[in-house]
Amino acid sequence: DGGITQSPKYLFRKEGQNVTLSCEQNLNHDAMYWYRQDPGQGLRLIYYSQIVNDFQKGDIAEGYSVSREKKESFPLTVTSAQKNPTAFYLCASSFTEETQYFGPGTRLLVL
Amino acid sequence: AQSVTQPDIHITVSEGASLELRCNYSYGATPYLFWYVQSPGQGLQLLLKYFSGDTLVQGIKGFEAEFKRSQSSFNLRKPSVHWSDAAEYFCAVGAALYNFNKFYFGSGTKLNVKP
Repeated sequence: DGGITQSPKYLFRKEGQNVTLSCEQNLNHDAMYWYRQDPGQGLRLIYYSQIVNDFQKGDIAEGYSVSREKKESFPLTVTSAQKNPTAFYLCASSFTEETQYFGPGTRLLVL
Repeated sequence: AQSVTQPDIHITVSEGASLELRCNYSYGATPYLFWYVQSPGQGLQLLLKYFSGDTLVQGIKGFEAEFKRSQSSFNLRKPSVHWSDAAEYFCAVGAALYNFNKFYFGSGTKLNVKP
């Protein structure tokens, strides 16, 4: 089955801790994206990557980091510098300049 | 600057009634336009998209949308709503930036369906 998987479904972060959200796709898409969703707001772009070993900051990159070592994988790390990390995080992928398809999301909560 | 406006935060319709969700965008060129649906705690599912050609596009689950360039609108419609359509709906604009298609999302419209 082709698609995008995100894990875990729920993630709890303690004060001062870095946590990593996983995103994998088997659609052979070139581009991958991370979005943050807060209640009552649309999606905001955190980072995107159009090719392996290259990525660009989106609109709200502060406190986050990413890597793109494989075409299929685009993990997002929420660092301790992100002071308000509680949100729903969505990963997406696409062929360049085409429709974006979304994973099921990870909800991050702060303990 | 590019932006997407969904004027209705919440809409309630009766099951079997027709539905129209509004979407207005601001973009200097011809945009790529999308509607997505999100059930609680889930990711976004693509309903339909417009790139070019016929301005009335058909999507999944009986939805359709019409692109009106003169009104900068891309409203979503369904002739008869089912209880399973209750969800949040997002309109998005894809704006070409060099070779990257950046998406701008509206803030969403929550649809409630009365039995």
